[in-house]
Amino acid sequence: DQQVKQNSPSLSVQEGRISILNCDYTNSMFDYFLWYKKYPAEGPTFLISISSIKDKNEDGRFTVFLNKSAKHLSLHIVPSQPGDSAVYFCAASWRRGGSNYKLTFGKGTLLTVNP
Amino acid sequence: NAGVTQTPKFQVLKTGQSMTLQCAQDMNHNSMYWYRQDPGMGLRLIYYSASEGTTDKGEVPNGYNVSRLNKREFSLRLESAAPSQTSVYFCASSGDSPNNPNTGELFFGEGSRLTVL
Repeated sequence: DQQVKQNSPSLSVQEGRISILNCDYTNSMFDYFLWYKKYPAEGPTFLISISSIKDKNEDGRFTVFLNKSAKHLSLHIVPSQPGDSAVYFCAASWRRGGSNYKLTFGKGTLLTVNP
Repeated sequence: NAGVTQTPKFQVLKTGQSMTLQCAQDMNHNSMYWYRQDPGMGLRLIYYSASEGTTDKGEVPNGYNVSRLNKREFSLRLESAAPSQTSVYFCASSGDSPNNPNTGELFFGEGSRLTVL
C-alpha cells in the first residue's frame, strides 16, 4: 500500500506564476517531510523540509505547507522559473520511531515551467 | 566536493550474470542507502545501513545483497540478474543527529543505469 501519494504525475505552469505540488500520506506516524528535486540523469537533491510540529516552512521561493489533520502537504514555488522544471518527489519519515531516517517517497510529479 | 560517488554509471548485463554496484561517500555519514527508481514507481528502498557493520532490508530487497565495507563504502550486489532488475539505482547517505532538524536529509549519488537483457 502506497504510504506517500503524489496523485498528479505532471504539472505545467507559466513562468512567473505559482506552482503548487501536492502530496498525501496515509501513515500517521510520519513526523518529518521533505521535498526533493530531480533533473534528468542526476540524483535527487534536497529542496525543503518540514517537521510535524510546524505547519509552514519557507526558503526563498519555496514554501511547504503541512496539514496534519488532512495528512496533506504541498510545495509552493513563487514565482516559477524555467529552471524549476524537474521531477519533484515528496518524502516522509518517522524520526521519533527511530527509523534511522529511512525515507518513503512518492512517485513524483513532473513540473514543466513554460517561458 | 565529491559527496556520494557511484560506479559504474551504466551497465548492461545478461540474465543470470552477477555484478556489484559500488558506492562511496566522503561526508562522514553514518547511514547509507540503496534505492531503485522505476518509471511510475518513484524511489523504492532496497537496503540500508544505519551504521558500519549493520544492514537492513528495505521495501524491495529480493534479489539483492549488500555489504557495508567500512563507514565510507556501501555496495549492492546482484547475484543472478533478472530483467525485472532493469532500473536506475541510487546510493544515498545521511548524517543522523536527532536534535538537529536539518539532518536526516539524504544526499544522493548520480545514479547507475542497469539494463538486464
